[in-house]
Amino acid sequence: QVQLVQSGDDMKKPGASVKVSCKASGFTFSTYGISWVRQGPGQGLEWMGGISAYNGNTYYAQRLQGRVTMTTDTSTGTAYMELRSLTSDDTAVYYCARDAGTFDAWFDPWGQGTQVTVSS
Amino acid sequence: SYVLTQPPSVSVAPGQTATITCGGDNIGSKSVHWYQQKPGQAPVLVIYDDRDRPSGIPDRFSGSNSVNTATLTISRVEAGDEADYYCQVWESISDRVFGTGTKVIV
Repeated sequence: QVQLVQSGDDMKKPGASVKVSCKASGFTFSTYGISWVRQGPGQGLEWMGGISAYNGNTYYAQRLQGRVTMTTDTSTGTAYMELRSLTSDDTAVYYCARDAGTFDAWFDPWGQGTQVTVSS
Repeated sequence: SYVLTQPPSVSVAPGQTATITCGGDNIGSKSVHWYQQKPGQAPVLVIYDDRDRPSGIPDRFSGSNSVNTATLTISRVEAGDEADYYCQVWESISDRVFGTGTKVIV
C-alpha cells in the first residue's frame, strides 16, 4: 500500500542542525512531490515547504527560507528535510506527506511523524 | 498571508451531526481539503476538493464550500470521530495554508 516511513525521533542542542528522512513505497516516487509539515507542542499544522521528486524543484515557506533544505534520492525513493540553526521554537513533530504538486493539491498519505526536540 | 479561521471546539452528542466551519476571504473560489488528526497520530485526509471523499472514508463525512465559508459535516457522529480537524487550501505552490484547527468533542 502507499506508505511513507520516517526516521526516528531526535534531540538536538540549540544552534545544531537536524535531518529527517521519509521513505516512500507503494507508488511511483518520481511522479509526485513531498511536502513537510510540522506541529509544535499543542499547536496546529504548519506547512514548511515541498519538493518535486520529478525535477527536484523546491518550494519553501517564506519564514523558513535560508534555514531549510529539502532533497530527494529517487534511487531509493527517499525524501530528506534538513533544518539548520535550531532553536527551542523548532521543537515539534515533523511530518512528510505525499503532494501531487499540482494546483490545488492535497496531502495524502502522511508519514508517522518524527519528534525533534531542541534543548540544551 | 491568507488566513483560515476555525472554531476552537465543537461539541456533539453521539448520533447527532457535527458542523465544522473554515472561514477565509473568498474561500469559495479555492479548493478546500480537510484532515482528521487523532491524539498522537498523523493527520488523515477525509475530504479533498471541497466535497470528495478518499477511499475508505465513511460517507458520514461530507463537505461544502461557498463564498467565505467552507464546511465539514459529520453525520451520525461516533465516539471514534473525536479528533482535531484542519482545513487547508493551496494559496500558491510556495504557500499552503492550514486552518487553526477544531477539536470535535463527542
